[in-house]
Amino acid sequence: SQQGEEDPQALSIQEGENATMNCSYKTSINNLQWYRQNSGRGLVHLILIRSNEREKHSGRLRVTLDTSKKSSSLLITASRAADTASYFCATDQSSGGSYIPTFGRGTSLIVHP
Amino acid sequence: DTAVSQTPKYLVTQMGNDKSIKCEQNLGHDTMYWYKQDSKKFLKIMFSYNNKELIINETVPNRFSPKSPDKAHLNLHINSLELGDSAVYFCASSYGGGVTEAFFGQGTRLTVV
Repeated sequence: SQQGEEDPQALSIQEGENATMNCSYKTSINNLQWYRQNSGRGLVHLILIRSNEREKHSGRLRVTLDTSKKSSSLLITASRAADTASYFCATDQSSGGSYIPTFGRGTSLIVHP
Repeated sequence: DTAVSQTPKYLVTQMGNDKSIKCEQNLGHDTMYWYKQDSKKFLKIMFSYNNKELIINETVPNRFSPKSPDKAHLNLHINSLELGDSAVYFCASSYGGGVTEAFFGQGTRLTVV
């Protein structure tokens, strides 16, 4: 089944550095979303980018989407220790006329103070 | 107010038992979901449900069944629990399926012993 596949699986950086995570998917989408999961918590929505958009910003977050390559990237600038979490991309998989957010394994980000 | 709440947060039970996890959302969303997150953090869709349609991931054993008494609730019933059912289960909700952001509950960690 279609799902976003995040890369790398794990990323370890120092506070202040930028963190880049990538997501690849298999079939056409209407939108792609990025979520964050802190340890032991549920997922929290970060940003949604539609298939006709190429770039979107929200605070320190920058998301790009390349539908020709079926890939997206999430950039977190000037990272903070509090950004330590797992990050997931979700694509809208069509099923029976509905769309279901479909996730991958996520990227585990550790930001060292 | 918690937008999506699920109970219990932790559930430890013996093999063969039947258990339920409850989920309620107060956001007025029309679609609710159940996801299973394994030890490698892979988030797998189990069910998607709105007041018109139940979509079941065909890989989910029929020991799992969703029950929706009304639009704001989607409970998960599990019969004859097995060791492999141990995981974290997340309830989520959204408007209009995957075309908008999903809101997640805090998760239920199920341990089958």
